[in-house]
Amino acid sequence: EIVMTQSPATLSVSPGERATLSCRASQSVSSNLAWYQQKYGQAPRLLIYGASTRATGIPARFSGSGSGTEFTLTISSLQSEDFAVYYCQQYKNWPPLYTFGQGTKLEIK
Amino acid sequence: EVQLVESGGGLVQPGGSLRLSCAASGFPFSNYWMSWVRQAPGKGLEWVASIKQDGTEKFYVDSVKGRFTISKDNAKNSLYLQMNSLRAADTAVYYCAREDHSNYHHWGQGTLVTVSS
Repeated sequence: EIVMTQSPATLSVSPGERATLSCRASQSVSSNLAWYQQKYGQAPRLLIYGASTRATGIPARFSGSGSGTEFTLTISSLQSEDFAVYYCQQYKNWPPLYTFGQGTKLEIK
Repeated sequence: EVQLVESGGGLVQPGGSLRLSCAASGFPFSNYWMSWVRQAPGKGLEWVASIKQDGTEKFYVDSVKGRFTISKDNAKNSLYLQMNSLRAADTAVYYCAREDHSNYHHWGQGTLVTVSS
């Protein structure tokens, strides 16, 4: 099983500043990496897939980078609606055994 | 517009059974892999099971193998999860999700399953 580890567990950032979230895979997942945003009481929302491709309707301030085992989600200028929990997910395995990171909570500083 | 609507959650005793349903609309259901993903209270996301477009291939996380069965009825545009021998550790919100190249562009709102005596 590929283990996904996100850091930090909690990130405190002021509105308008940049946020950088990290995700590490226990073995290479190539670019088979997605990022999701989840707000309290809501279903997750896909932000990024293929490590760096924004999903439909996702603002340009969200960007993803990395390949292999190290990945980053960057939010260039935080808006109030961006404070949420973020998860990474690998989907390299076949047969499928998709795994998620434990999440990073992005909170207002 | 893609819509996924789960139902069937509730309170069940340990060892009991429950069947979740997911009604899909707004897309050609028979063309897509579908999945169930769950989230225990206050915890992260966990992939549970996936099923191929025509239902001929099914995959499960180890912790539910032999207890849960995923199925889909393309004529009814519906996805199901039959859950048997339920445990307290299965308590979670269960989401239905459409797979697009192994990631999830569309999710339902979730249905809560509580396993408790």
